[in-house]
Amino acid sequence: GQQVMQIPQYQHVQEGEDFTTYCNSSTTLSNIQWYKQRPGGHPVFLIQLVKSGEVKKQKRLTFQFGEAKKNSSLHITATQTTDVGTYFCAGPRAGNNRKLIWGLGTSLAVNP
Amino acid sequence: GAGVSQSPSNKVTEKGKDVELRCDPISGHTALYWYRQSLGQGLEFLIYFQGNSAPDKSGLPSDRFSAERTGGSVSTLTIQRTQQEDSAVYLCASSLGTSGFYNEQFFGPGTRLTVL
Repeated sequence: GQQVMQIPQYQHVQEGEDFTTYCNSSTTLSNIQWYKQRPGGHPVFLIQLVKSGEVKKQKRLTFQFGEAKKNSSLHITATQTTDVGTYFCAGPRAGNNRKLIWGLGTSLAVNP
Repeated sequence: GAGVSQSPSNKVTEKGKDVELRCDPISGHTALYWYRQSLGQGLEFLIYFQGNSAPDKSGLPSDRFSAERTGGSVSTLTIQRTQQEDSAVYLCASSLGTSGFYNEQFFGPGTRLTVL
């Protein structure tokens, strides 16, 4: 069945280092969404990418959508302790764009 | 405006008891989702409501789980004869439910269920 995979599962970085998480879909996606969940919190929407090859930036966060619309990445420049949390990608299920298929998330720990 | 609310925030119950978890979605959102999240794990889809359509129950793990949505708004997730493996955080989310691209999901704070 349709799957969305994320790597790595965990990442520990020193504050100030960069961080990247990758999201790969088994099928072409019409769009991809990214969410962040802080420890003890709930997922919060970050961004949605729609176009092939699209790149969007939010301050130190850079999101990319692959040319084939099957993969995506989130890159954080110069991590801060406030970046700690789990980052999820999610793409619409084939035939029903209101239902999302979720990756398992990448948990980021930042050492001060 | 108000976000998605869930109640109770915490629920401790004994094995074999029934529990009801409530979700109040954002007003005007036609789509409502229930997920389960075990400690340190990803989101496990349970059930999805879209307007007046029949719900997508494909994620419910057993017939002990059921959910309803009354009047296209408030939803209740019921777990009968709870088991210890049901212990998890139950998250509710809502979205506009339009057929277009932009259907970001807004999550509630979750209900932490502990089955003793």
